Amino acid sequence: QVQLVQSGAEVKKPGASVKVSCKASGYTFTGYYMHWVRQAPGQGLEWMGWINPNSGGTKYAQKFQGRVTMTRDTSISTAYMELSRLRSDDTAVYYCARAPRGLGGDSYWYFDLWGRGTLVTVSS
Amino acid sequence: QSALTQPASVSGSPGQSITISCTGTSTDVGGYDYVSWYQQHPGKAPKLMIYDVSYRPSGVSNRFSGSKSGNTASLTISGLQAEDEADYYCSSYTSSSINVVFGGGTKLTVL
Repeated sequence: QVQLVQSGAEVKKPGASVKVSCKASGYTFTGYYMHWVRQAPGQGLEWMGWINPNSGGTKYAQKFQGRVTMTRDTSISTAYMELSRLRSDDTAVYYCARAPRGLGGDSYWYFDLWGRGTLVTVSS
Repeated sequence: QSALTQPASVSGSPGQSITISCTGTSTDVGGYDYVSWYQQHPGKAPKLMIYDVSYRPSGVSNRFSGSKSGNTASLTISGLQAEDEADYYCSSYTSSSINVVFGGGTKLTVL
């Protein structure tokens, strides 16, 4: 079954870090890019960045530069997103989302498979 | 403030057609054919409905269609059904540093 299974909900204090995992199954993990998108309560979607599981290359949205790190472990087909120096406005559901990889190796710009999301709550 | 502009809400009766607009600039919607649309029911993950402006993924009803003119993309849903009631988000590649931008979302109500 083609799916992305994310780790469970987290509660963190301001200033702490959180690491969310996203385990892929049913397809070739290194054949697709993995993007991360978040959604604050009652708000819209916000793109955070991508990782190329094949090369480990990453691209982050400027807003998160310096605070976000995306990694992967190809041996277990899992992508990770770590966000540091958490603030209350980082409270959101964090989604991993798969994007096809083009023949040239670049990411396509749509997300055809999503995880169910991981709620991260930042509160003192 | 979202980079792409969508109406906050639209509504229609069963069987009718509705169109949701998504307005950007020449650096995103107008500059590339990389607009996609997502449907999101409450408490669920988004679902891809349209990609690359007008392509439908396998399994998505042909009642959903996409188009683009200039800096504005559109999602049209024909033959509205109760199950179409959801939030809809557009997205586009952008040549700015952030790569991907989303619209603020449109709540579709089926009357």
